[in-house]
Amino acid sequence: QVQLQESGPGLVKPSETLSLTCTVSGYSISSVYYWGWIRQPPGKGLEWIGRIYHSGSTYYNPSLRSRLTISVDTSKNQFSLNLSSVTAADTAVYYCARLSAGAFDFWGQGTLVTVSS
Amino acid sequence: QSALTQPPSASGSPGQSVTISCTGTSSDVGGYNYVSWYQQHPGKAPKLMIYEVSNRPSGVPDRFSGSKSGNTASLTVSGLQAEDEADYYCSSYAGSNNYVFGSGTKVTVL
Repeated sequence: QVQLQESGPGLVKPSETLSLTCTVSGYSISSVYYWGWIRQPPGKGLEWIGRIYHSGSTYYNPSLRSRLTISVDTSKNQFSLNLSSVTAADTAVYYCARLSAGAFDFWGQGTLVTVSS
Repeated sequence: QSALTQPPSASGSPGQSVTISCTGTSSDVGGYNYVSWYQQHPGKAPKLMIYEVSNRPSGVPDRFSGSKSGNTASLTVSGLQAEDEADYYCSSYAGSNNYVFGSGTKVTVL
């Protein structure tokens, strides 16, 4: 069974960089699927952030592209998200997920990141 | 890209059916068959219920069904049960390697 687990700081200061890692177990990240990030501000809807293939090929939400970097470490079966110059608007629960047939079929439990000084 | 449009709420009594709409454009919902639906209970991660417009993943009850007509996709929950009370989100491939989610619908079982 595929399992994903997000990890990283729960509190980030404004203007700094938000960094999260997703560890995948039960499945090799070096397979045919893309792996992605989705976020959900408190009380609001879901927003697609971006996705990455094991080769390192990435695709980003245009609204976040200038601040976003997603990378992969196949040796650790992990992929990561870096979002720079954060503001309070970036406060959200961040999820990592596997993308298959145009749908996110396996999700992590999510991690709340609060942007505050 | 803009979020897909869903009604904020929908409701039905146990045993009844409820249908949720998801309206986009010809650049997303209408242009591709990569429409999916997610169920989210409070404090939990979303769960995939429908993919590629009308396909159910293994383990999802056949009470859940999906369809699409033009730029609007729909999720129907038949034989409503108490555990179906949750938020539901649609999603679509939006071209240019992008994805977009719907605004979400809160389903209440009366």
